[in-house]
Amino acid sequence: VQLVESGGGAVQPGGSLRLSCAASGFTFSTYDMHWVRQAPGKGLEWLALIQYDESNKYYAGSVKGRFTVSRDNSKNTLYLQMNSLKPEDTAVYYCANKVGHHFDSWGQGTLVTVSS
Amino acid sequence: QAVVTQEPSFSVSPGGTVTLTCGLSSGSVSAGHYPGWYQQTPGQAPRTLIHTTNIRSSGVPDRFSGSIVGNKAALTITGAQADDECDYYCVLYIGRDISWVFGGGTKLTVL
Repeated sequence: VQLVESGGGAVQPGGSLRLSCAASGFTFSTYDMHWVRQAPGKGLEWLALIQYDESNKYYAGSVKGRFTVSRDNSKNTLYLQMNSLKPEDTAVYYCANKVGHHFDSWGQGTLVTVSS
Repeated sequence: QAVVTQEPSFSVSPGGTVTLTCGLSSGSVSAGHYPGWYQQTPGQAPRTLIHTTNIRSSGVPDRFSGSIVGNKAALTITGAQADDECDYYCVLYIGRDISWVFGGGTKLTVL
């Protein structure tokens, strides 16, 4: 299993960014997928889950209405569209595949910095 | 929203045994929360240690074990080694919300 996040970078408050997570080594289209983030020096925070067929999506309260998770199973890629970004969204963003009720394999993360 | 609590820090002697705990502000942790434990060294992605209370992830040595003790989930490390010194996070599944909540993490020192 390999998960590779990309799309991070610096953005101003109020801006938008789209993260990607390229999956390989497993049948991506049959797995639900998570996004998790970690602010600098802080703990892990679950953000979102998307079911394997996009039938359902679930979000943490802190990002609901601002972030949108999606996927393209033909490209084995998971996305996180982040709008109305705030300084407190500064973090390393990880994707992980869901097995049972847990986070199985993790990517190495991509850093998002929200600052003016 | 549920709050998951962990000891901020813990120390263990090399070769010793330590138990880290994971509690829930709103009540008791149960198997239905599918407790999981993740290990993270600085600058690295988390690594899955234990899931579904007590199932070791592939490649995790049997020095690591998970359980529910009283009203908390627990991660026990026996025969602590120097490279066990890192951060440990627990996570609970909150079924009524279909969400997952991580604890604040425990920084383990082996000395």
